Amino acid sequence: KAGVTQTPRYLIKTRGQQVTLSCSPISGHRSVSWYQQTPGQGLQFLFEYFSETQRNKGNFPGRFSGRQFSNSRSEMNVSTLELGDSALYLCASSLPGTGGRETQYFGPGTRLLVL
Amino acid sequence: GESVGLHLPTLSVQEGDNSIINCAYSNSASDYFIWYKQESGKGPQFIIDIRSNMDKRQGQRVTVLLNKTVKHLSLQIAATQPGDSAVYFCAETGATGGGNKLTFGTGTQLKVEL
Repeated sequence: KAGVTQTPRYLIKTRGQQVTLSCSPISGHRSVSWYQQTPGQGLQFLFEYFSETQRNKGNFPGRFSGRQFSNSRSEMNVSTLELGDSALYLCASSLPGTGGRETQYFGPGTRLLVL
Repeated sequence: GESVGLHLPTLSVQEGDNSIINCAYSNSASDYFIWYKQESGKGPQFIIDIRSNMDKRQGQRVTVLLNKTVKHLSLQIAATQPGDSAVYFCAETGATGGGNKLTFGTGTQLKVEL
């Protein structure tokens, strides 16, 4: 099976712009989670989508949003980019399940640089 | 201002030795724990997991130990190899109402010396 894929792999934006990142989960996986990884804060949970609905949300401002499509692919959007949004954005997918605690498998990430 | 990076503890071991990486967690409601390995430029790679109704689980060359009394998790790697060099993260979840919300530790840098 192909792993989790994320596009684009690298992105450079300027402050004030917005960005959309894409994630394709492992075939058959229905839960998609997003994480932000920075040297200062480590790995932090952004949100999780399951069956096109947001199931969990982390402590990030409303500029960070996401969605999931019927084929389980997910996108996250960051509006009004700030320098501090520079990070590696990771997507993880897991098997079907309604109770959580499924193993999450990560993609390679999208490296976002905000200038 | 300039952000300060997290100080990653480093564990240096000789090739062939056993490695033990430790992790403390704070949420007593956590009931599922995972170890991930992250190599430079890559996303975290699943190593092994354990649920709170167990205190030990073994995989290929790896063992995870869970001590719920002191909220401590450890990863043991047998016969450490150069390819094991990476940052290792423990992660936990105990989200109420279901869902996959992982809380990650700060990570440990494992360096394998030849």
